[in-house]
Amino acid sequence: KAGVTQTPRYLIKTRGQQVTLSCSPISGHRSVSWYQQTPGQGLQFLFEYFSETQRNKGNFPGRFSGRQFSNSRSEMNVSTLELGDSALYLCASSLPDWTAGPSGYTFGSGTRLTVV
Amino acid sequence: DQQVKQNSPSLSVQEGRISILNCDYTNSMFDYFLWYKKYPAEGPTFLISISSIKDKNEDGRFTVFLNKSAKHLSLHIVPSQPGDSAVYFCAARTSNTGKLIFGQGTTLQVKP
Repeated sequence: KAGVTQTPRYLIKTRGQQVTLSCSPISGHRSVSWYQQTPGQGLQFLFEYFSETQRNKGNFPGRFSGRQFSNSRSEMNVSTLELGDSALYLCASSLPDWTAGPSGYTFGSGTRLTVV
Repeated sequence: DQQVKQNSPSLSVQEGRISILNCDYTNSMFDYFLWYKKYPAEGPTFLISISSIKDKNEDGRFTVFLNKSAKHLSLHIVPSQPGDSAVYFCAARTSNTGKLIFGQGTTLQVKP
C-alpha cells in the first residue's frame, strides 16, 4: 500500500517568489492536512481539506493557501515568500472516518523549503 | 495559547531501562491523543493513540497513560532500545477532524 507522497522533497526559492507543493494521499483517504515545522514553532497546523473543501484553517496569513482535487490530491501554495517561510512542510492524510489508529493521520516525508 | 505542551525538551536513558515522556493539555474537548516518533527531515511516524474515554493503551513496548483530571498523558517505552532515539511528539485532536495540535516535542536519547 503506497504511503503519502509529497513532491518535491527539496526546494530553494528566492524571497518574493511563490511556490506550490504537492501531496498525494493514501488511496481511500479523503482528508488531507498540511503542517509547517520550524525549529522555533514546532509542528503547526496550516489547513485541512476534505472532499475538495477547506474544513479547518490554522493561524497563518493569507499568503498560504491550498486546494484539493477530486482524486483527493492536494496542493498548497505560498505566495510572496519570506525568509521565515523556510521550513519542512508536511502533509497528512486521514481515513474518511478520521480513525485515530495506525491507519489514520499518516504523514508524508515532507518538502524542505528554503527561502533565500 | 499552546494547548498541548511537552515541557521536557530532552530525555536521556540507558538501554533496557524505562523511558517516560510526558505531555500536558488544556482543552477538555480533545477526544483522541496520539504519539508520533520523528527523525530529522522525515515525516512523523505513528506510534500509539488513546481515546479520551480510556486511561491506558498498550502496544508492545509502548504504553500510553491518560489522566483526564490532570489533563496529562505519558508514553512509557519498556525496555528502551538505542533505535528508539528520536524526537517524540504528542498530538491531540477534536472529533472528526484532520487537525492535530502538536506539542513541541521531546528528544529521546537511549544510550547503549
